[in-house]
Amino acid sequence: DSGVTQTPKHLITATGQRVTLRCSPRSGDLSVYWYQQSLDQGLQFLIQYYNGEERAKGNILERFSAQQFPDLHSELNLSSLELGDSALYFCASSVDQSGGNYGYTFGSGTRLTVV
Amino acid sequence: LAKTTQPISMDSYEGQEVNITCSHNNIATNDYITWYQQFPSQGPRFIIQGYKTKVTNEVASLFIPADRKSSTLSLPRVSLSDTAVYYCLVGISTDTGRRALTFGSGTRLQVQP
Repeated sequence: DSGVTQTPKHLITATGQRVTLRCSPRSGDLSVYWYQQSLDQGLQFLIQYYNGEERAKGNILERFSAQQFPDLHSELNLSSLELGDSALYFCASSVDQSGGNYGYTFGSGTRLTVV
Repeated sequence: LAKTTQPISMDSYEGQEVNITCSHNNIATNDYITWYQQFPSQGPRFIIQGYKTKVTNEVASLFIPADRKSSTLSLPRVSLSDTAVYYCLVGISTDTGRRALTFGSGTRLQVQP
């Protein structure tokens, strides 16, 4: 158990639908990061939050949005889903913004399947 | 476009030393370089992290030259269980001045008996 909790572990939904992925960071970590990993592909950075504020943005589609709440958990919202959105979505957390102090701790991911 | 590049794949035999290099020309000034190991359908697992020069822990060493534009992960005496994909992760300074967290493309290491 890495200390980063992601729910649900698996999600199957239809095209055009909207889903919410949830992440609870490791205790004491203020930064949360979201990554997308398509089948046999690398990890694509989506977005980072630090203590409730957006800090960095990667290749996140306009159909996707995220937020970090006062209790530091984060949610990634995916809307108007397409088949190509099927992927593993990972959340990671870290103490600070630079990834120092042993870097980022990853959760076990949410596998999203769009049918 | 700022990129982080690694070899796509490497092959080795049990007991050999493996060195995987990552190029990150536009690394942000204050960012660390972190390496991860990933098995299929699992989240990346932290291996080692450094800022400059050399760092060693119980599983690997990390070599970072003075200009920090590359880094080399060294795995001593690999075993079959080291077969995995290895990623470097750095913060890259973009053209807009923002910082983008960027994983390398990953290096698939196959260890043979």
